[in-house]
Amino acid sequence: DVKVTQSSRYLVKRTGEKVFLECVQDMDHENMFWYRQDPGLGLRLIYFSYDVKMKEKGDIPEGYSVSREKKERFSLILESASTNQTSMYLCASSYGTGYADTQYFGPGTRLTVL
Amino acid sequence: QQPVQSPQAVILREGEDAVINCSSSKALYSVHWYRQKHGEAPVFLMILLKGGEQKGHDKISASFNEKKQQSSLYLTASQLSYSGTYFCGTEIKNTGNQFYFGTGTSLTVIP
Repeated sequence: DVKVTQSSRYLVKRTGEKVFLECVQDMDHENMFWYRQDPGLGLRLIYFSYDVKMKEKGDIPEGYSVSREKKERFSLILESASTNQTSMYLCASSYGTGYADTQYFGPGTRLTVL
Repeated sequence: QQPVQSPQAVILREGEDAVINCSSSKALYSVHWYRQKHGEAPVFLMILLKGGEQKGHDKISASFNEKKQQSSLYLTASQLSYSGTYFCGTEIKNTGNQFYFGTGTSLTVIP
């Protein structure tokens, strides 16, 4: 079974703090994704990585950056957290060369920025 | 380019049927369906690759109308275990496989 783990289930940070969310997958998948999930807005892609050190912006990259130094690990960074970044963050991975292969999700990190 | 799902939320009694619709403004290559139970990760349900295709397992099935750029998910004789949020994912044609998840539909099945 594919396993995608995220570093924290719940996180509370203050405005202006630098926040790191980490995601690890154990199936040697090429692709990794970061989404944010908000009520009524569904899942929106923040960043996509198709290989180590390679990344593409998604629909809502502003205020976020990512890092992928090893194939199994994909980090989402909030350089200076703001209250409008309070959300559920989901990481996913997939095997293949495109966006549309079956994605395996982690359990999510609920981030609250005060 | 995010597909719109309807309804946004639905409450059913056990045994009732439901239909969730997913509509895109762009031509589609494929449609995927995922379910997220409360507090859990979204899980892949099925993919539809061809216009006119219908698929299903257990009592959950889906159809893909390529001409209308729509897909529908059918849940028949709903069970308590069907509760969760359902997402469609759409692969847009002629965009290098761009893929967007929908706005989500919350489905609650009550006894």
